[in-house]
Amino acid sequence: EVQLVESGGGLVQPGGSLKLSCAASGFTFSGSAMHWVRQASGKGLEWVGRIRSNADRYATAYAASIKGRFTISRDDSKKTAYLHMNSLKTEDTAVYYCTSIDYWGQGTLVTVSS
Amino acid sequence: DIQMTQSPSSLSASVGDRVTITCRASQGTSNYLAWYQQKPGKVPKLLIYAASTLQSGVPSRFSGSGSGTDFTLTISSLQPEDVATYYCQKYDSDPPFTFGPGTKVDIK
Repeated sequence: EVQLVESGGGLVQPGGSLKLSCAASGFTFSGSAMHWVRQASGKGLEWVGRIRSNADRYATAYAASIKGRFTISRDDSKKTAYLHMNSLKTEDTAVYYCTSIDYWGQGTLVTVSS
Repeated sequence: DIQMTQSPSSLSASVGDRVTITCRASQGTSNYLAWYQQKPGKVPKLLIYAASTLQSGVPSRFSGSGSGTDFTLTISSLQPEDVATYYCQKYDSDPPFTFGPGTKVDIK
């Protein structure tokens, strides 16, 4: 069974940092590009960024709204992808999903508030 | 960057009706277009990829078509369990992989 399990969400003050993790199982994680997608309460889906596989030199791409503040990485030995979030703003408050496009995690809530 | 639009933003239809949702890209995105279904309070689910390929396990009443800039998701016979918001997303080789704003489908 394919599973993607996000963790690391929580409450953080504006300007703070947070690191989300996405643990994968049940599919060939090392060969899969992994994406992060977020959804603010009552709003639509927003693509955050992507990291490709080793075969594509772990190429990353980011949405303009978070570029320079967020970084995606992965550890294929742990079958885990990460979203490193810095300089957080209140508008970054959302549920963050990791996805391989065909499989999605349950999401983890990030709340940025003082 | 390519912008994605969807129409309508919401619709209400009767059980058994044929429902069509349109997604338009501001520039051609070949066939790298996916459709997702998100039921209230649930995680998005991939329905269709490559514009017209049905994801495994998705009911055959769902279908996708189109290429270039204009794409369509069709539900041939709307069922109560299809109440959801539907999103398109372009995922060609050129990021960002933008989602459309969504179409909310309700039962009349």
